[in-house]
Amino acid sequence: GAVVSQHPSWVICKSGTSVKIECRSLDFQATTMFWYRQFPKQSLMLMATSNEGSKATYEQGVEKDKFLINHASLTLSTLTVTSAHPEDSSFYICSASLAPFLAATYEQYFGPGTRLTVT
Amino acid sequence: RKEVEQDPGPFNVPEGATVAFNCTYSNSASQSFFWYRQDCRKEPKLLMSVYSSGNEDGRFTAQLNRASQYISLLIRDSKLSDSATYLCVVNDPRYGGNEKLTFGTGTRLTIIP
Repeated sequence: GAVVSQHPSWVICKSGTSVKIECRSLDFQATTMFWYRQFPKQSLMLMATSNEGSKATYEQGVEKDKFLINHASLTLSTLTVTSAHPEDSSFYICSASLAPFLAATYEQYFGPGTRLTVT
Repeated sequence: RKEVEQDPGPFNVPEGATVAFNCTYSNSASQSFFWYRQDCRKEPKLLMSVYSSGNEDGRFTAQLNRASQYISLLIRDSKLSDSATYLCVVNDPRYGGNEKLTFGTGTRLTIIP
């Protein structure tokens, strides 16, 4: 199956600092990547959809100036949490979608996630 | 009403038993349906896509009932390794092109030796 990597797997940072998370599709090209956030015992919540070479589309309630997304190539998307605060502590997961001609449906493959703790 | 609704469980089932999960979705225009499993503190992993005719993969059987907007997952001969949270996932048809997915909150399953 398609492999997606994410780095770092966990990070602890101080309040007010910025953190960059990388998401890579290792064995396929992903025109679209998705960024999710999951709080304990809650479902995955989509934050934004990232298309290669264009601006990300953010979900309602997600601050685009706080969560900067860059999708510079077909295999790499980055999420930068700027001026992080303790309430940003969460499990951040990216996923990549196989192009429709490569899969019968829009299956998404997930990275292993990044656990962010802001102190 | 939630877009994707699941019984959160927990389901505690003895090893070897058969267990079934149900899921309902609210948007009748949805076209793609999936079951993912998520282990504690890990990312979701695709278990199987769900097709209109129903599909089977080893011990796992998924069925879709469009009229009732209902999806099910059946696990036969359950193994200890089946312990996980099972996520019902439905595409969001409001967006064309690369489809967005809506996740249920998941059903927690524990297989008891």
